[in-house]
Amino acid sequence: GGIITQTPKFLIGQEGQKLTLKCQQNFNHDTMYWYRQDSGKGLRLIYYSITENDLQKGDLSEGYDASREKKSSFSLTVTSAQKNEMAVFLCASSNRGGQDTQYFGPGTRLLVL
Amino acid sequence: SQWGEENLQALSIQEGEDVTMNCSYKTYTTVVHWYRQDSGRGPALIILIRSNEREKRSGRLRATLDTSSQSSSLSITAAQCEDTAVYFCATDDQGGRALIFGTGTTVSVSP
Repeated sequence: GGIITQTPKFLIGQEGQKLTLKCQQNFNHDTMYWYRQDSGKGLRLIYYSITENDLQKGDLSEGYDASREKKSSFSLTVTSAQKNEMAVFLCASSNRGGQDTQYFGPGTRLLVL
Repeated sequence: SQWGEENLQALSIQEGEDVTMNCSYKTYTTVVHWYRQDSGRGPALIILIRSNEREKRSGRLRATLDTSSQSSSLSITAAQCEDTAVYFCATDDQGGRALIFGTGTTVSVSP
């Protein structure tokens, strides 16, 4: 088995601040994903990466940057945090994209004051 | 949006009852994933059903897939309190590299 680790677990930021979220997986999966989940809603894809140094935009990429420097890690940056923003950011990985199970981390909970 | 008819938003049932939730999707998919998400945790796959399968079972869970009507259902038989969670369906996107999630169904099972 494997595990996905997300850090930090909670992130409190200020309006306009640049914030970075990190994700590590030890499944040796090629594809990694970042999703945003707002309270009571589904998951929306921000970025994904099919291999090291690859980046693909999802529907919600505006306002975010991502980086896949190693196969095992995938970072997400909120380029300018919005006041009163509150969401959970979920990282996932899979072996064969949409054809296979996606394994999720526990999430990073963001609150912008 | 990939999703036509929205998932039913919330279902409240008693232990021992059966429950079914449905998803319909707009564009062709080769696979439908069903995930459950417990409070404070990331989603976890419970059933994955492919386009060449009409039905798939896992314990008390049963998923169906009707490619002609572009719909899928998830049923829980004899629900237990521990089945309380949010259930999401998801399909692969056009490129097959990512998933498109529905908005989810909150299932609450009371004793």
